[in-house]
Amino acid sequence: EVQLVDSGGGLVQPGGSLRLSCAASGFLFSDYSMSWVRQAPGRGLEWISYISGNGYTISYADSVKGRFTISRDNAKNSLFLLMNSLRADDTALYYCARDNYMGDFDYWGQGVLVAVSS
Amino acid sequence: AIQMTQSPSSLSASVGGSVTIVCRASQGISDHLGWYQQKPGKAPRLLIFAASTLQPGVPSRFSGSGSGTDFTLTISSLQREDFATYYCLQDYNFPWTFGQGTKVEIK
Repeated sequence: EVQLVDSGGGLVQPGGSLRLSCAASGFLFSDYSMSWVRQAPGRGLEWISYISGNGYTISYADSVKGRFTISRDNAKNSLFLLMNSLRADDTALYYCARDNYMGDFDYWGQGVLVAVSS
Repeated sequence: AIQMTQSPSSLSASVGGSVTIVCRASQGISDHLGWYQQKPGKAPRLLIFAASTLQPGVPSRFSGSGSGTDFTLTISSLQREDFATYYCLQDYNFPWTFGQGTKVEIK
């Protein structure tokens, strides 16, 4: 069974950093591209970052470019999102999601809450 | 960035009825469009990919169509469990972008 488990969220002050993790199981992790998607409270979905299966292709939304870094460890079946210079508008539920080879997300983590506040 | 304009933002419908949600891209995206359903407190669920391909396990009352800039999601014979928020997502060009969402409520 495919499972994605998000972790690492919490309350952080503006300007602070946080590292999210996504533990994958039930599939050959290195074969799949992965993304992070977030959802601010009461708002819609926002794609924020993508990484290919081998880690060579990476892309970011403009809203996080230069502040967030996506990475993966295929040996540990894990996806990461390092978030620096956090702002209040980064407050959201963050999901990791698996790409089904067609650019669509067929499996999602349960989401992890990041709250940026002083 | 490609803008995805989804309409309507909300609608009311009856159980057994049908609804159509429209997503329009600011430039052509071929068939690089997916549709997602999200219920409160839950992660989104993929319904349709490549504009018209039903994700395995999704009921056949969901259908998608379109290509280029104009896309539709149709839900026929609405069931109580279909009342949720629906999003489109273009994956043609980075940055990938979602529509604003359509909330489908019970009339």
